[in-house]
Amino acid sequence: EVQVVQSGAEVKQPGESLRISCKGFGYRFTTYWISWVRQKPGKGLEWMGTIDPSDSYTKYSPSFQGHVTISADKSINTAYLQWSSLKASDTAVYYCARRGAGGINYLDPWGHGTLVTVSS
Amino acid sequence: QSVLTQPPSVSGAPGQRVTISCTGSSSNIGANYDVHWYQQLPGMAPKLLIYGNRNRPSGVPDRFSGSKSGTSASLAITGLQAEDEAEYYCQSYDRSLSGSVFGGGTKLTVL
Repeated sequence: EVQVVQSGAEVKQPGESLRISCKGFGYRFTTYWISWVRQKPGKGLEWMGTIDPSDSYTKYSPSFQGHVTISADKSINTAYLQWSSLKASDTAVYYCARRGAGGINYLDPWGHGTLVTVSS
Repeated sequence: QSVLTQPPSVSGAPGQRVTISCTGSSSNIGANYDVHWYQQLPGMAPKLLIYGNRNRPSGVPDRFSGSKSGTSASLAITGLQAEDEAEYYCQSYDRSLSGSVFGGGTKLTVL
């Protein structure tokens, strides 16, 4: 079964750093890009960016460029989303999802989501 | 403000048909980029419902259908069931932003 499995919920204080992960199972990890999507409490979906695990080429939404870093380690089939200094406004559920092959940008499957809570 | 515009809510009685619109611009849907649709049940991750404007992944009932014309796309749901009550999102690619964009989401209520 093709799936992407995310790391567990995190509670952090403002200013702390954080890295969450997304591991692919059941398919060739380097064939499909991984995208990250943010969902703030009670709000809609926001595309953050995407990475090609084969060479770690990344593309960010202008809204998130410079605020987060997307990376991947193809040796362990894992993509990451990281912050160097969290803010309370980063509180949200973060989803990773596999992008369709051949440049088709639908997302399937999705991970279960990682809840990140930033509070002092 | 989302790049793709969806109605905040729609509703229908069991068995009825509803449609959800997704309006974009010449920078995304109108530029011939595909539209995809997702269903998000309460407390769950989104799930792919329609890809490439009108294609259903395996396991998605044929009660769900998608279409696209000009700068807009639509999701139609026929034979409404209580289990269809969820949030629905459209997604496409925007060449000005050089990335994916989502609609703001539409909450479907089954009366």
